[in-house]
Amino acid sequence: EDQVTQSPEALRLQEGESSSLNCSYTVSGLRGLFWYRQDPGKGPEFLFTLYSAGEEKEKERLKATLTKKESFLHITAPKPEDSATYLCAVQDDYKLSFGAGTTVTVRA
Amino acid sequence: ETGVTQTPRHLVMGMTNKKSLKCEQHLGHNAMYWYKQSAKKPLELMFVYSLEERVENNSVPSRFSPECPNSSHLFLHLHTLQPEDSALYLCASSQDPLTEQYFGPGTRLTVT
Repeated sequence: EDQVTQSPEALRLQEGESSSLNCSYTVSGLRGLFWYRQDPGKGPEFLFTLYSAGEEKEKERLKATLTKKESFLHITAPKPEDSATYLCAVQDDYKLSFGAGTTVTVRA
Repeated sequence: ETGVTQTPRHLVMGMTNKKSLKCEQHLGHNAMYWYKQSAKKPLELMFVYSLEERVENNSVPSRFSPECPNSSHLFLHLHTLQPEDSALYLCASSQDPLTEQYFGPGTRLTVT
């Protein structure tokens, strides 16, 4: 069975303080790794898809990377509006499995 | 309307009630999903429909009954729920079962 573990559970950052979130996974046949952002009381918002080790994607202050066992979401010089829960999910041939998420709080 | 919409946004129901959740996607996608999200737990996949046929049912109790009348609409019929069924129920859609999913805002369900 696919397993997705995200760390840390919570991350408190000062505005401008860069950091990284980790998503480690075990899957039989990775078809894609997805990152989502979820704000309180809302549905997850799609950010990135990564398909193979070595791949990188960027969007504003966010950069996602992928290895054979884990993915990182780097937040560069975060702003308070980057505060959210970030979810990682892996897709095999049958379904999408989610991690529990990392809740990021950025203080001004 | 754009994206994925869900109604109602909030629902309070007793254990003997029957209610339905509605989801509509305006993205032209062929696959739709129901997820359950409980506090501090990963999203749990409940049902998957691809081209209006159910392709996944993750051992969900029979008190939850999905219906997909066409590729744009998805319903979740609820009856005789338990308090532990209180959660955020999310609908999602994707072009096919292997591509990125787009989520609706969710229905916050409280069972009393």
